[in-house]
Amino acid sequence: QKEVEQDPGPLSVPEGAIVSLNCTYSNSAFQYFMWYRQYSRKGPELLMYTYSSGNKEDGRFTAQVDKSSKYISLFIRDSQPSDSATYLCAMTSGLGNQFYFGTGTSLTVIP
Amino acid sequence: EAGVTQFPSHSVIEKGQTVTLRCDPISGHDNLYWYRRVMGKEIKFLLHFVKESKQDESGMPNNRFLAERTGGTYSTLKVQPAELEDSGVYFCASSQVAGGPDTQYFGPGTRLTVL
Repeated sequence: QKEVEQDPGPLSVPEGAIVSLNCTYSNSAFQYFMWYRQYSRKGPELLMYTYSSGNKEDGRFTAQVDKSSKYISLFIRDSQPSDSATYLCAMTSGLGNQFYFGTGTSLTVIP
Repeated sequence: EAGVTQFPSHSVIEKGQTVTLRCDPISGHDNLYWYRRVMGKEIKFLLHFVKESKQDESGMPNNRFLAERTGGTYSTLKVQPAELEDSGVYFCASSQVAGGPDTQYFGPGTRLTVL
């Protein structure tokens, strides 16, 4: 069983839509939850991270963590064509710094 | 400030050959990580250096992979001999302080193709 499960998509939405991206995980030791954005031929770029359960908002992006369900989400409001990228969830127990990644969800925002 | 750089950006080699990938972390970053993404799979951790010491190499797939970080600056990852299943994108990341998840900066990756 994979440590982290993420629907690969692809996901295609019209500009201005609200996008919901999700991951589930199996390891209850995970404490830090990250969302990375990756453009084609580039390295992953950290968007947001959340410690333990709860919500975190940054501009148009909101990250949610529900540790009881082992489920994390990233919401993108008022999506823009520039948001078109692959979104990767990642998590770690905070010990040893090894990150566990999802496979990524490919998102296209259509103008 | 320059980001994490990796060289080459793309390498195509024959099975059985040797390839060396290089990563230059952000200046002053003591922590350096190698990750790999095989096509269709998730990015997986390979190993973690703190300065020149290997902190965690639990993700290294086998003894055909050798990572070094002499002098605690740049790092190399050598694959010898390369096998078909080694194809993928190899990412390097660096951070200044271990433990904080918002400090790992990723390079653009080296795409390795083994024929």
